[in-house]
Amino acid sequence: SQQGEEDPQALSIQEGENATMNCSYKTSINNLQWYRQNSGRGLVHLILIRSNEREKHSGRLRVTLDTSKKSSSLLITASRAADTASYFCATFLQGGSEKLVFGKGTKLTVNP
Amino acid sequence: DVKVTQSSRYLVKRTGEKVFLECVQDMDHENMFWYRQDPGLGLRLIYFSYDVKMKEKGDIPEGYSVSREKKERFSLILESASTNQTSMYLCASSFVLAGGHGTDTQYFGPGTRLTVL
Repeated sequence: SQQGEEDPQALSIQEGENATMNCSYKTSINNLQWYRQNSGRGLVHLILIRSNEREKHSGRLRVTLDTSKKSSSLLITASRAADTASYFCATFLQGGSEKLVFGKGTKLTVNP
Repeated sequence: DVKVTQSSRYLVKRTGEKVFLECVQDMDHENMFWYRQDPGLGLRLIYFSYDVKMKEKGDIPEGYSVSREKKERFSLILESASTNQTSMYLCASSFVLAGGHGTDTQYFGPGTRLTVL
């Protein structure tokens, strides 16, 4: 089964609203990363949060990490139509190899 | 800016053909990765390489091989393409984390959509 599971699978909001996506994982992590993928394109790194961090900001993005609950959330504030994309969380496991484990993603649609 | 390029955006091949997918990165990254992405299955790691001539199997290596003769280039080879290898293929690269182990941010290429007929 997937190490990271995003929730919800799909989200549709109006421009200007906030979008929140959640990620849960199963085993201890070294860091957790969020990526965005526009339709038919490669993934773009958004933000990395380390296991000893609780919150991180980057522009309109806010990521939180709760290692006790093994969960993370990505908040996009004041969303724009250009934020329409799929969003993936990826975990790098403690004691693991060089690979990231990706979830299946949340498909976000921002309606103008 | 980091640039990861893939040799083709779209590729159509016939069953049984040998297929080469090329990936080049310009940031002197140690790690390089090949994933495939299918609807409902997310990204699945096929192979990765942490150094020249070094490779490790990912989660779904069957039917694939890889080659890394130079640090900047990582090739994915489908020895005999089959229809179930129709997919989007994504290449990525990254530095090793401080301490010499693990992956930091991964930088992705634009993807190759392969169709095997």
